[in-house]
Amino acid sequence: QQPVQSPQAVILREGEDAVINCSSSKALYSVHWYRQKHGEAPVFLMILLKGGEQKGHEKISASFNEKKQQSSLYLTASQLSYSGTYFCGTDGSGNTGKLIFGQGTTLQVKP
Amino acid sequence: GAGVSQSPSNKVTEKGKDVELRCDPISGHTALYWYRQRLGQGLEFLIYFQGNSAPDKSGLPSDRFSAERTGESVSTLTIQRTQQEDSAVYLCASSGQGGQPQHFGDGTRLSIL
Repeated sequence: QQPVQSPQAVILREGEDAVINCSSSKALYSVHWYRQKHGEAPVFLMILLKGGEQKGHEKISASFNEKKQQSSLYLTASQLSYSGTYFCGTDGSGNTGKLIFGQGTTLQVKP
Repeated sequence: GAGVSQSPSNKVTEKGKDVELRCDPISGHTALYWYRQRLGQGLEFLIYFQGNSAPDKSGLPSDRFSAERTGESVSTLTIQRTQQEDSAVYLCASSGQGGQPQHFGDGTRLSIL
């Protein structure tokens, strides 16, 4: 079952905040977040594991509510470089990395 | 190489022809994934290889699609008797192990005439 992302698209001014949500109908072991710029490959942002462990390397935060099978990605003080399409990928198979991706949320940051 | 390499970067072929897409993962990565991305859409899981285990083929859309991987190195995705609906970007990713961050190649853009 494909996770559902919301909103589908968002436009921000530099410095504004955004939240992108990812909701699954299945129990999840982990949630992965990736950003894809137009014409480029997706780039890893963050992994959230069942039990609360979080792995990432950018100044972006996220949460994972295992009971609600939901994750949210928080982009604060957005920069122009944050523009792109954000995908959540859910792993319900026990940390195999077999990800089912949502349809994506397109973020546009304007000066 | 430093990253995941895919070839060719673009492929245009006639309906009914067979195509073979290649992926060179990051050296040492035991997990390898293939995805399909149609224009303006998300990533659709196709197949997953982990070490010497049997691959997870549950995402392959039809028996025209197959993939192989030699040990923990190169993988090829083959599409037989291509159809117009096969037109998409095919992305390959690798990770150190299953569940770790996936590193994507630039993809192969496949166009079926």
